[in-house]
Amino acid sequence: DIQMTQSPSSLSASVGDRVTITCRASRSISSYLNWYQQRPGKAPKLLIYGASSLQNGVPSRFSGSGSGTDFILTISSLQLEDFATYYCQQSYGTPTFGQGTKLEI
Amino acid sequence: EVQLLESGGGLVQPGGSLRVSCAASGFTFSQYAMNWVRQAPGKGLEWVSIISKSGSSTDYADSVKGRFTISRDNSNNTLYLQMNSLRAEDTAVYYCAKDQGLWLLPELDSWGQGTLVTVSS
Repeated sequence: DIQMTQSPSSLSASVGDRVTITCRASRSISSYLNWYQQRPGKAPKLLIYGASSLQNGVPSRFSGSGSGTDFILTISSLQLEDFATYYCQQSYGTPTFGQGTKLEI
Repeated sequence: EVQLLESGGGLVQPGGSLRVSCAASGFTFSQYAMNWVRQAPGKGLEWVSIISKSGSSTDYADSVKGRFTISRDNSNNTLYLQMNSLRAEDTAVYYCAKDQGLWLLPELDSWGQGTLVTVSS
């Protein structure tokens, strides 16, 4: 299976900050990489698919980049509702998720 | 509006069986592959299974292969997960998720609220 490793595992930030979360695949997955947001007690929400395509309805402060093995999720200016846990997921092989990055105030 | 409503979770003994369901509405169910994803308490997400639009093709995580069976009823817009030989490590919230991606390239664009399955004696 393809292993996905996110860094950092947790991150403290403030409203208005620019934040980046990294996801690394154990082998090349081309651009088959998706990002999800999960707020406490809620189901995950798709933010970015195909490494860089913004899902309908997702604010433009979210962006994704990367290909091959290294990917980045960027939040350009943190809002209060963005404090959540973020997961990457590869779909190149049997789908696997990263371990998550908890974004805290 | 897409709605996915899971049901059927509960407490089951190790070695037991359980079937969870997911009732779909707000979209043409038969035109989308569907997935199950689980989340153990306090842990991350784990993909479990996928089924094609017609139900003719399926795939499973190694951790559940041979024990779990995914199926669907397109006439009733319902997705199922039959879980047999349950183990303590299967304890999790089970989410059904709609797939907007190509076959076996899942992009999970809508999720249910989840149903908790607890395996314990």
